[in-house]
Amino acid sequence: GESVGLHLPTLSVQEGDNSIINCAYSNSASDYFIWYKQESGKGPQFIIDIRSNMDKRQGQRVTVLLNKTVKHLSLQIAATQPGDSAVYFCAGTYAGGTSYGKLTFGQGTILTVHP
Amino acid sequence: DADVTQTPRNRITKTGKRIMLECSQTKGHDRMYWYRQDPGLGLRLIYYSFDVKDINKGEISDGYSVSRQAQAKFSLSLESAIPNQTALYFCATSPDPKGTQYFGPGTRLTVL
Repeated sequence: GESVGLHLPTLSVQEGDNSIINCAYSNSASDYFIWYKQESGKGPQFIIDIRSNMDKRQGQRVTVLLNKTVKHLSLQIAATQPGDSAVYFCAGTYAGGTSYGKLTFGQGTILTVHP
Repeated sequence: DADVTQTPRNRITKTGKRIMLECSQTKGHDRMYWYRQDPGLGLRLIYYSFDVKDINKGEISDGYSVSRQAQAKFSLSLESAIPNQTALYFCATSPDPKGTQYFGPGTRLTVL
């Protein structure tokens, strides 16, 4: 099966710094990954995704890096702002058997941005 | 995301009561999901449906049932609520099995 985990449960940064949130996965067949942001009292919101045929994908102030060799992905947030404070989840899926169409979520990293 | 709505947003109930949580979406997605979120455990899949006639158990389906009344509606029931079902419940939709899932605002359920 798939398991997705995070290296650190909390991350504190100063406003303006770059943030890096890491995630490891166990199934080498995983082929699609998503990063979500969850603010207090809200549901998870899509940030950025990446498919296994890519190593890097950039969005607005965010970059996701995928290293399939070590089964690791990261979310980089540039010029972190107080509004970026939230819990960040990585999720993955693979097109195999009973897991088809299901995402497996990591536990989440709490990002706190200090002004 | 206003395209996925959940009712109620908060509910307090007692052990043994039957509870229904409802989810509606205007995205036109075929695929709908119910998740449970507990502190430190991330999101865990309860049930999912790939179309109106398709219902599948997730990893923690015991104690829950679902009904897909229409493409736009997917409800989750707790037939006899117990305290360890106290959690945040999220509904999600997806346009395809390998695509992004879009989440509703959640229902906070407390079972006393």
